[in-house]
Amino acid sequence: GENVEQHPSTLSVQEGDSAVIKCTYSDSASNYFPWYKQELGKGPQLIIDIRSNVGEKKDQRIAVTLNKTAKHFSLHITETQPEDSAVYFCAAIGSGGSNYKLTFGKGTLLTVNP
Amino acid sequence: KAGVTQTPRYLIKTRGQQVTLSCSPISGHRSVSWYQQTPGQGLQFLFEYFSETQRNKGNFPGRFSGRQFSNSRSEMNVSTLELGDSALYLCASSLGQQSSQYFGPGTRLTVL
Repeated sequence: GENVEQHPSTLSVQEGDSAVIKCTYSDSASNYFPWYKQELGKGPQLIIDIRSNVGEKKDQRIAVTLNKTAKHFSLHITETQPEDSAVYFCAAIGSGGSNYKLTFGKGTLLTVNP
Repeated sequence: KAGVTQTPRYLIKTRGQQVTLSCSPISGHRSVSWYQQTPGQGLQFLFEYFSETQRNKGNFPGRFSGRQFSNSRSEMNVSTLELGDSALYLCASSLGQQSSQYFGPGTRLTVL
């Protein structure tokens, strides 16, 4: 089945700096890659997603890039703010019978210091 | 549109008991998936329902079961609870295959 690796596990940045979180996946047939933000005591919130027919997608301060050849995708947050502090998860949806099952990375705890 | 709702938000049970958790999807969403979240294992897929049919199941024992009703609401049941079942149980709804999945706030289950 699909396996998703996520790095780093913790990331601390100064307010205004950029943050980058990277994920790799194993199933070359995977074609949908969402990113979730989870704040303490809440469920994961979908913040951006990308499909395999697109190399990059941007939404204000957040962007995701996908390299299908290398099987990795990344989340980029620019001009970070304290409210960006949370745990971020990448995920992938596999192929065939697993095309509705999200496989998650282990998460990245992002801390934005004022 | 209202988001995904889950009830109850918190539960405390003892070993050997059983528990039923409920999930109401976003209006119009017919797919409901369940996930277990623990500090050690992260987010793990339990099962997914679409139009009252279970389409896929994760690697969990048969003590974990679920169902979906005609209005797309879903329940999951855990029988003979074990200490290791303590976790945050999340449900997510979507329109269907490879559609964006939206999560509810979760039910925090503690087994004593």
